[in-house]
Amino acid sequence: GENVEQHPSTLSVQEGDSAVIKCTYSDSASNYFPWYKQELGKRPQLIIDIRSNVGEKKDQRIAVTLNKTAKHFSLHITETQPEDSAVYFCAASDGAGKSTFGDGTTLTVKP
Amino acid sequence: DAGVIQSPRHEVTEMGQEVTLRCKPISGHDYLFWYRQTMMRGLELLIYFNNNVPIDDSGMPEDRFSAKMPNASFSTLKIQPSEPRDSAVYFCASSLSPVSNSPLHFGNGTRLTVT
Repeated sequence: GENVEQHPSTLSVQEGDSAVIKCTYSDSASNYFPWYKQELGKRPQLIIDIRSNVGEKKDQRIAVTLNKTAKHFSLHITETQPEDSAVYFCAASDGAGKSTFGDGTTLTVKP
Repeated sequence: DAGVIQSPRHEVTEMGQEVTLRCKPISGHDYLFWYRQTMMRGLELLIYFNNNVPIDDSGMPEDRFSAKMPNASFSTLKIQPSEPRDSAVYFCASSLSPVSNSPLHFGNGTRLTVT
């Protein structure tokens, strides 16, 4: 089955700095890679996603890159703000709809 | 749309009791997923349904866990008998057909505590 590894497990940055979270996956059949943000005590919510036919996608301060050959994808957050503090999960999904999640990264943005 | 609706939000029960968690997916979503979240194991997929039919239940921990989806708008996850190690947050999520690779929409979760 699919295995997703996510690094780092914790990340602390100063407000205004950039944050990068990296994930690798094992199953070459995976073709959809969403990222979810989970604030404390709340549900995970999609923040950005990328499909296997695209190498990069950007939405305001958030961007995701995908390297299919190397089987890794990354989340980039620029100009971080305290409200970006949360747990971020990457996931890899196959065509059948099953998503496998990474273990999560706790991001802390210090004001 | 009200989103995915789960009930109850919190459940506290004693070991050995039966627990039933409920979920109403977003109307029109063909896929329904049950996840369990703990600090130790992260987000684990327990089971998922497509058009009310269970597709993959390989994540169900053991026979004490069962899930049903009698119709397109309702699903249950049952634990009988419950044990302290079942304590976790259980999320239900739904999505459109994966042909378009659509994201998961999570409910607010049920926090289960088994004493």
